[in-house]
Amino acid sequence: QKEVEQDPGPLSVPEGAIVSLNCTYSNSAFQYFMWYRQYSRKGPELLMYTYSSGNKEDGRFTAQVDKSSKYISLFIRDSQPSDSATYLCAMSASRGADGLTFGKGTHLIIQP
Amino acid sequence: GAGVSQTPSNKVTEKGKYVELRCDPISGHTALYWYRQSLGQGPEFLIYFQGTGAADDSGLPNDRFFAVRPEGSVSTLKIQRTERGDSAVYLCASSPFAHRGPGNEQFFGPGTRLTVL
Repeated sequence: QKEVEQDPGPLSVPEGAIVSLNCTYSNSAFQYFMWYRQYSRKGPELLMYTYSSGNKEDGRFTAQVDKSSKYISLFIRDSQPSDSATYLCAMSASRGADGLTFGKGTHLIIQP
Repeated sequence: GAGVSQTPSNKVTEKGKYVELRCDPISGHTALYWYRQSLGQGPEFLIYFQGTGAADDSGLPNDRFFAVRPEGSVSTLKIQRTERGDSAVYLCASSPFAHRGPGNEQFFGPGTRLTVL
């Protein structure tokens, strides 16, 4: 079993829909959780950064962390075709500079 | 300001050759990371530098892989005796690593696509 599990998709939804992306993990030491967006042939771009359990909102994006279930989510409201990309979850145990552990990424397609 | 830059953007080499991949981090970022991303996978951690020293090289797959950061800024990832299995996108990231503040936010470059024939 990999440390971080993420459904690779593809996930296809109509424009304007609410998108839910998820990851599960097995290492209870993880405390810092990130979501990155990666367009084809580009580097990952940091979207959201959260610490421990709870919610964090930034514009159309909401990140949720449930440490008791080892489950994290990213919600995208009012999805746009420009949101079509691969979404990677990442996590680390230390606040300090650490190598991140990534999921495989979910390929998201927003249909106009 | 300028982001993380990586050169070359693409590198094609033959099995057994030596390659060097370069990373220029965001100015002032003290932490620098190398990752490898194979097709359909998430990035896989290779090595992390804090300043000039390698603070964690536990992700390097074997002794054919080596990285340096001699002046605490630019870093070079070196791969000896390349194998076809080394084909991947090699990503570099940097972080300000402020002891106060949010923490470990890593900013990625566009990557170098390495193809070993």
